[in-house]
Order: sequence, then structure tokens, then C-alpha cells
Amino acid sequence: KNEVEQSPQNLTAQEGEFITINCSYSVGISALHWLQQHPGGGIVSLFMLSSGKKKHGRLIATINIQEKHSSLHITASHPRDSAVYICASIIRGPSNTGKLIFGQGTTLQVKP
Amino acid sequence: EAGVAQSPRYKIIEKRQSVAFWCNPISGHATLYWYQQILGQGPKLLIQFQNNGVVDDSQLPKDRFSAERLKGVDSTLKIQPAKLEDSAVYLCASSFRTDYGYTFGSGTRLTVV
Repeated sequence: KNEVEQSPQNLTAQEGEFITINCSYSVGISALHWLQQHPGGGIVSLFMLSSGKKKHGRLIATINIQEKHSSLHITASHPRDSAVYICASIIRGPSNTGKLIFGQGTTLQVKP
Repeated sequence: EAGVAQSPRYKIIEKRQSVAFWCNPISGHATLYWYQQILGQGPKLLIQFQNNGVVDDSQLPKDRFSAERLKGVDSTLKIQPAKLEDSAVYLCASSFRTDYGYTFGSGTRLTVV
């Protein structure tokens, strides 16, 4: 069973602060997603990583396969970044169907 | 490219009524997923299609839920009869291959009263 653990569960920051959300998983994965969910339900895929680092605008995602750990960073945070951030893994192996195993999510609030 | 389209956006029904949700994935995406997300919880996979075949429906409550993907494109998810505990956001997602990135739809928020 692959457990995906995120920390922190809740995070409040002031506008402009650098934010880090962490994700750990327990078994080998083929890829890891970082997702953003705003109130109302819609989910946006921010990154899919299998190694190294990816950057998009103010968002940076890193993954360390050996340590089974990934981080999502937000630079110069803004109130519009307020959302739930979810990491989700795809287990590696012959039974890999692409099913996502979700972390519990990190609720981020950025105050002006 | 156009995103994953879902409709309706919101639905309120009484318990024991039936309801259907529709999903149109990104063109060319062979894999389609339906997830159920109850408030405060992470999404739970209900069913996964590869083209028009079912890959995984182990967590689909088959006594009341059904889903189909005719012609390997659009998909519908039906609940009949609905229960109060079915109140949730129903998310559709698609991917080109299982090791490719997902694209999620905006979801359908169902309230059963």
C-alpha cells in the first residue's frame, strides 16, 4: 500500500512569503503529481514529476526519488495562490493502471 | 487544446432520485477516470476506462452507480437511486497514457437532500 503524506496540513502566510509544501511517499512510484484545488471543486494539474525539478512561473516542484520525497515551492506568494494543494502518486509496477494515490492536501491561505 | 468538459456544474436532487453526469475528455486521451470527492476528503477513484473498456471499478458502488464510455470518447456516470452520502464533487479526468499527466475537469457538485 502506498501512503502519501503531506505537511503541513494547513498553512497561513503573508503576501510575498516563500512557501514550501512537502510530500512523502512510501513505495516506488512512476510519477508524482502536484495539483491545485480551489473552492468549488475544480482541480488543476500543476506538475507531473518523475525526477529532478520543474518550474512554472512562481511555482517550483522538486522530487528526490531515493528519499521518496517531493516539495512544492511558491515564491512571492499572492492571495490568489490560496487553495488546497494536493500531491498524488502513481505507483510503479506491472499493475500500474495510472490510478492516483492522493495525499490529504495542504490548505494554503495567503493574506494580503 | 480544449480541456476536459463536464456537465452539469451543479446539481441538487432529492434522495432516491436519479442523476447523470457527463464528461467529454481531451481528444485523443484513451484513459478516462471518474473520481468522487466528499467534502474534506481526497478524491476516490470510482472507475477507470481505457478506451471503452473498464480497467478498474473496484470502488464503484455497483448497486447504485453505473458508468459507460461508448465509442471510447464521452462518458456518463449515473446514480440511481441517490443517497444523502452521495453528496460530493464528481471529477472526471483524462490522460493520453497512464504514465502521462492528468487533465481534470471542473467537476460536478452534487447535493442530495
